[in-house]
Amino acid sequence: TQLLEQSPQFLSIQEGENLTVYCNSSSVFSSLQWYRQEPGEGPVLLVTVVTGGEVKKLKRLTFQFGDARKDSSLHITAAQPGDTGLYLCAGFSGYALNFGKGTSLLVTP
Amino acid sequence: GAVVSQHPSWVICKSGTSVKIECRSLDFQATTMFWYRQFPKQSLMLMATSNEGSKATYEQGVEKDKFLINHASLTLSTLTVTSAHPEDSSFYICSATRISGANVLTFGAGSRLTVL
Repeated sequence: TQLLEQSPQFLSIQEGENLTVYCNSSSVFSSLQWYRQEPGEGPVLLVTVVTGGEVKKLKRLTFQFGDARKDSSLHITAAQPGDTGLYLCAGFSGYALNFGKGTSLLVTP
Repeated sequence: GAVVSQHPSWVICKSGTSVKIECRSLDFQATTMFWYRQFPKQSLMLMATSNEGSKATYEQGVEKDKFLINHASLTLSTLTVTSAHPEDSSFYICSATRISGANVLTFGAGSRLTVL
C-alpha cells in the first residue's frame, strides 16, 4: 500500500482567510483524487488530477499535482463556513483506492 | 449519475450478535466493490475488495472470519460483522466501480454501527 501523508491534520480559520492543504507520498501515483466528507456521510469526489504539474480549479478551490506525481495540494481562497468538512486525498494502489489521514477544516463566521 | 445505496444507515446491536450491511449499486452494474471502515475523526481504511462471484480480498490485519463479505450479484455486496463487540463500532462505507481498474468510484453514504 502506498502511503499518503496529509498536513495539517486540523485547521481552524475564520471566514475569508485562505488556506492550503498538502498531500505527500514517497511513491508515484498515476493520479490523485481529492474528496470532501461531511459528518455521517460518505466522501464526495472533488477532483482527479492526472498529469504532473496539472492545476485544476473548482470555483474557490485550486488543486495542483506535483511535477513528479508524488504530491498534491488543495488551496481554498476566501474560505466560507460551508467549506467546513474533512478533506481527503486518495490514490490508487492497483485498483483499490487508499486515503490519506485527512485534514479536518473548520471555518468560523 | 451512478448511485450507491447502503442499508441500514445506522444500527445498534448487542455484543455477540451479527450485523449485516448491504451495499447496492442502483443504476449500474458494479464489477468491484470496496468496503472501508472509519473511526471518529479518522480517515477511511480499506478493509476488503470484492469482485462479483469470487472471494473477497482482505487487507492486512482485517479478519476475514469476522468481517464476512459476499458479492453475489453485480449490484449487491454485503458485509456481515460476526459476533460484534464494542470495538467493532465504527462507520462502514462501501464504494463501487463500474469497470475494474477504472479510477472512478462511487461511495455510499455509510452505515453507522454501534455495538453495546
